[in-house]
Amino acid sequence: QPVLTQSSSASASLGSSVKLTCTLTSGHSHYIIAWHQQQPGKAPRYLMKLEDSGSFTRGSGVPDRFSGSTSGPDRDLTISNLQSEDEADYYCETWDSITPWVFGGGTKLTVL
Amino acid sequence: QVQLQESGPGLVKPSQTLSLTCTVSGDSIRDGSYHWGWIRQPAGKGLEWIGRIYNSGSSNYNPSLKSRVTMSIDTSKKQFSLKLSAVTAADTAVYYCTRGRGGHGTDYWGQGTLVTVSS
Repeated sequence: QPVLTQSSSASASLGSSVKLTCTLTSGHSHYIIAWHQQQPGKAPRYLMKLEDSGSFTRGSGVPDRFSGSTSGPDRDLTISNLQSEDEADYYCETWDSITPWVFGGGTKLTVL
Repeated sequence: QVQLQESGPGLVKPSQTLSLTCTVSGDSIRDGSYHWGWIRQPAGKGLEWIGRIYNSGSSNYNPSLKSRVTMSIDTSKKQFSLKLSAVTAADTAVYYCTRGRGGHGTDYWGQGTLVTVSS
């Protein structure tokens, strides 16, 4: 089954941009993933689906400051014009025919 | 906009059965392309999947929990449910119900409900 690897933490300044990376294990670099945001004390929220082609589809109501891109096994989430409310944990998710969910360990984003 | 709402006891005694229900707004629960799932999150930790069910009744459970998990679905009530038996303190977590679809991942989450296992 695939494994998703995320950095445990990241930080960036208010108004800047930040890229968070989710890396698929070898042999799984063609997998589609989803990105989720979990603000402190809240439920996760679906941000987007990101395909191996780099094509991404945002969820309902997700601002266009959130975008996705792909490079080999890396599935990147870029947040532009960082806002204070973007401070959150970000999880990537994938799946296959055997395992309905595989989650990354999450990246804690701090907005400075 | 789909909404999912968990309900059930917030406190369960060790060795007893945890029971939760998720109520879904809208009619997508009748669409067989969606799956309906449960994911939990212990305090300060990551996400752990428990299982999912389709409106056909077909289900998949996490192998580590499979012996203790039962899920069911009632499309007429727009609800699906989770039962986790023989609970221990390790089952204390926030439990989320979710909607997902093949090729798209989890696209809606409930607000979550904290279940504490304690005597």
